[in-house]
Amino acid sequence: DAKTTQPTSMDCAEGRAANLPCNHSTISGNEYVYWYRQIHSQGPQYIIHGLKNNETNEMASLIITEDRKSSTLILPHATLRDTAVYYCIARPYGQNFVFGPGTRLSVLP
Amino acid sequence: DSGVTQTPKHLITATGQRVTLRCSPRSGDLSVYWYQQSLDQGLQFLIQYYNGEERAKGNILERFSAQQFPDLHSELNLSSLELGDSALYFCASSAGLARDNEQFFGPGTRLTVL
Repeated sequence: DAKTTQPTSMDCAEGRAANLPCNHSTISGNEYVYWYRQIHSQGPQYIIHGLKNNETNEMASLIITEDRKSSTLILPHATLRDTAVYYCIARPYGQNFVFGPGTRLSVLP
Repeated sequence: DSGVTQTPKHLITATGQRVTLRCSPRSGDLSVYWYQQSLDQGLQFLIQYYNGEERAKGNILERFSAQQFPDLHSELNLSSLELGDSALYFCASSAGLARDNEQFFGPGTRLTVL
């Protein structure tokens, strides 16, 4: 599996965009980039995933660099309820998810 | 609400005992996954079932076993429990085996071994 590296923690002001980076420099061509988040001890929540193109849904946008070695998850207008641990996962075809330590995002009032 | 249900929410038991955790996947999902999350290990994949058959194994101990039933619900059996088995146990489900299927997680079962 491609190893991903993320900042240990980040802060974001409420109402501002939260940009969470992820480095996956050893990603291979068949590995999708997934983002999940976990609020306190709840079950991880799926956010978004992509392969090459940028993706957007009702929760977030995923920007993947052209060389696919890094990506950024964007929460356009962060709220206090977005405070969570965010996991970036590079998942090969047919393989299961490998969760790293993630980024602890704190949205501040 | 992901549509995945897990019971019980909390379980407290003693060392040496055996427990069963139950998971009902989202309607229509054929794959079920089990994960363990402890404070020092993070979220670890244990095992996957697809339509009743074991599909993949991760860091699952020999004292642990799982199965998926014809109605697609799954059970994780933990035996000869040790203090270190105290953790959150999550079940997830996905539609099938497509290369980009996302997994949807249940609320978890918190197991405390005393």
